Amino acid sequence: QVQLVQSGAEVKRPGASVKVSCKASGYTFTSYDLNWVRQATGQGLEWMGWMNPNSGNTGYAQKFQGRVTMTRDTSISTAYMELTSLRSEDTAVYYCEVRGTWGQGTLISVSS
Amino acid sequence: DIQMTQSPSSLSASVGDRVTITCRASQDISNHLAWYQQKPGKVPELLIHAASTLHSGVPSRFSGSGSGTDFSLSISSLQPEDVATYYCQKYNGAPFTFGPGTKVDIK
Repeated sequence: QVQLVQSGAEVKRPGASVKVSCKASGYTFTSYDLNWVRQATGQGLEWMGWMNPNSGNTGYAQKFQGRVTMTRDTSISTAYMELTSLRSEDTAVYYCEVRGTWGQGTLISVSS
Repeated sequence: DIQMTQSPSSLSASVGDRVTITCRASQDISNHLAWYQQKPGKVPELLIHAASTLHSGVPSRFSGSGSGTDFSLSISSLQPEDVATYYCQKYNGAPFTFGPGTKVDIK
């Protein structure tokens, strides 16, 4: 079965960058697109973008254009989401998702 | 971009009640709609895809319907374990926007 295991929580200063990993197992990593979604505390789900792990092609929500980069390492079936120029409003749980299966989430806290 | 709306934003119903949540897309998305359930403090879980196809393992009291711009999620007999926030999501093309969510609790 599809399983996604994400990296651990991080605390960042405003202006810094963060890179979250998502290790996939239970399926052929390059077979399905992978999405990143975030959720601020008490708020709804916000889709950030998608990546095709086979080609590396990506598509980002307009809100994050220029600040987000989604990459992958197919040799270890791992996807990455890097968000730069962090601000307090980026404090949220970040999820990877494939075909309805979600990672456990990674809390990114941005605070001075 | 296509916008997704949901109504109501919250509801309270009794155990055993039938509950219906609606989701509307600002443009035709055919049947490219999913419903997710997110229990407090938990990861979202897929309930329905293709507007009406129940995901594996999801109880049959959940059902989805609709196409084009108007969709609904129904729970035929509300159970205590159904307390959650429910989100619709379009996936006919990026951006894969979520609705704002509907919070369901027990009266």
